[in-house]
Amino acid sequence: AQSVTQLGSHVSVSEGALVLLRCNYSSSVPPYLFWYVQYPNQGLQLLLKYTTGATLVKGINGFEAEFKKSETSFHLTKPSAHMSDAAEYFCAVSEGRGSTLGRLYFGRGTQLTVWP
Amino acid sequence: DAGVTQSPTHLIKTRGQHVTLRCSPISGHKSVSWYQQVLGQGPQFIFQYYEKEERGRGNFPDRFSARQFPNYSSELNVNALLLGDSALYLCASSFGSLQETQYFGPGTRLLVL
Repeated sequence: AQSVTQLGSHVSVSEGALVLLRCNYSSSVPPYLFWYVQYPNQGLQLLLKYTTGATLVKGINGFEAEFKKSETSFHLTKPSAHMSDAAEYFCAVSEGRGSTLGRLYFGRGTQLTVWP
Repeated sequence: DAGVTQSPTHLIKTRGQHVTLRCSPISGHKSVSWYQQVLGQGPQFIFQYYEKEERGRGNFPDRFSARQFPNYSSELNVNALLLGDSALYLCASSFGSLQETQYFGPGTRLLVL
């Protein structure tokens, strides 16, 4: 079964500080991995995704994530936080094959607060 | 180009009523998925349609149903509403195969009183 665990429901950083949002997953087949961001009263916006190939993935707004198979992790980072990064972030996993192909399984989300 | 659109944006219903939520995918996208996001949780998969056929169903009761039309738009129907159905309902579309990236609409916020 697929599942996603996001460690820390709330993360607070100062503007300019490193952002690190943690995500661990379980999947019975090679996973496709995603990070989405949700601003208040809006839908989900794709930040980045990993399917195959290079394990370090760069996304929009300066975010990147690294797929580590041995650790079953896909942590999201940004070197320098900006006030506009304050939002809720969701990690999601999808299986690349099988009966559940294409379904996204989401973590519970991490609320990022950025202090001036 | 327009993104995924959903209507209505907000809806208030009472227990036992029926509701229909609508979704228009990005032009050219053939797959539509529906997700339920309860306050404080991540979205949960409800249905996926591809080329007008149901390709997947999540762990939701039969009160939930959906369909996809020839123009690839979709409806989600929920019968006999319960208080626990209060949530943000998200529609996502993708271009071709089921494994393509999904793009989400703004959602419909349903409140059941």
